[in-house]
Amino acid sequence: GENVEQHPSTLSVQEGDSAVIKCTYSDSASNYFPWYKQELGKGPQLIIDIRSNVGEKKDQRIAVTLNKTAKHFSLHITETQPEDSAVYFCAASKRQEKLTFGTGTRLTIIP
Amino acid sequence: GAGVSQSPSNKVTEKGKDVELRCDPISGHTALYWYRQRLGQGLEFLIYFQGNSAPDKSGLPSDRFSAERTGESVSTLTIQRTQQEDSAVYLCASSLVGTGGGGYTFGSGTRLTVV
Repeated sequence: GENVEQHPSTLSVQEGDSAVIKCTYSDSASNYFPWYKQELGKGPQLIIDIRSNVGEKKDQRIAVTLNKTAKHFSLHITETQPEDSAVYFCAASKRQEKLTFGTGTRLTIIP
Repeated sequence: GAGVSQSPSNKVTEKGKDVELRCDPISGHTALYWYRQRLGQGLEFLIYFQGNSAPDKSGLPSDRFSAERTGESVSTLTIQRTQQEDSAVYLCASSLVGTGGGGYTFGSGTRLTVV
């Protein structure tokens, strides 16, 4: 089955700086890669996703890049703000199958 | 409903007792998923429903765990003879299509504590 690795497990950045979280996946047939943000006491919330026919997708301060050859994808947050502090999970799946999640990155924005 | 609803939000139970966790998915979402999240850990897949059937229940940790879904709506996750290692947040998610190809909407989870 699919295996997703996520790094780093914790990340602290100064407010206003950029944050990057990286994931690798094992199944070359995977074609859908979402990112979730989980705030304390809440369920994960989808923030952005990308499909394998696209190399990059951007939504305001958040962007995701995908390298299918290397089987890795990354989340980029620019101009970080205190409300970006949360745990972020990457995930991967192929059609008709469940999402496999990474182990999460705890992002702390330092004011 | 507007979102995925889970109940109870918190449950404390004695070791050896049975517990039942409930999930109300978004209306019209055919796919429903249960995940377990231990403290500070990632999301561990338990079971997936497409309609009322469960094509993938490979993540259920033991025969003490079972789940059902009726009417393509509400799902219940039952844990029998609870053990301390069952303590975790149990998350339910639903999606419009029965694949991982669309984003999941998660509920806020049920925090289960076995004492």
